[in-house]
Amino acid sequence: QKEVEQDPGPLSVPEGAIVSLNCTYSNSAFQYFMWYRQYSRKGPELLMYTYSSGNKEDGRFTAQVDKSSKYISLFIRDSQPSDSATYLCAMSRTSGNTPLVFGKGTRLSVIA
Amino acid sequence: GAVVSQHPSWVICKSGTSVKIECRSLDFQATTMFWYRQFPKQSLMLMATSNEGSKATYEQGVEKDKFLINHASLTLSTLTVTSAHPEDSSFYICSVSRGSYNEQFFGPGTRLTVL
Repeated sequence: QKEVEQDPGPLSVPEGAIVSLNCTYSNSAFQYFMWYRQYSRKGPELLMYTYSSGNKEDGRFTAQVDKSSKYISLFIRDSQPSDSATYLCAMSRTSGNTPLVFGKGTRLSVIA
Repeated sequence: GAVVSQHPSWVICKSGTSVKIECRSLDFQATTMFWYRQFPKQSLMLMATSNEGSKATYEQGVEKDKFLINHASLTLSTLTVTSAHPEDSSFYICSVSRGSYNEQFFGPGTRLTVL
């Protein structure tokens, strides 16, 4: 079993839809969770980061962490064509200078 | 966040030559930088952890003699692909870790094509 599982998609939604992206993980030691957005041929861009369980909201984005289920989610409200990208979840055990473990990424297309 | 640059953004070279890729942390002194490679439609694969003033830590399966990493200062790490071959063609990305949550900030990436 891989440490982090993420459905690669592709996921196609109409403009304005609510998008739900998810990752599951197997290692209960993960405490720090991040979501990145990557456009084609670009480096990943940090969208959200959270610690332990709970919700965090930033504009149209909401990140949720359920450590009891080892499940994290990213919700995008009022999706826009500019949200079309690959979304990667990432996590780590510690808070400083350690490599992240990434999911495979989910390709999202928002159709106008 | 942190601002990270990479140079060059793309490079084409002949098989057998060496290519150096620079990663700079522009607004933050980074004792640790990370190097990843990414093949088309695949996720990031960690190659090595670059530590300022000491030897890099390579992931299993990554040839340290082929992928030379030098972290010469708190703002610069370089990755040199030695004797490059077509199978080394990939997207190479560096990152720095900053903040209490181990947030990592990535450079724009370098696309290497070996002919």
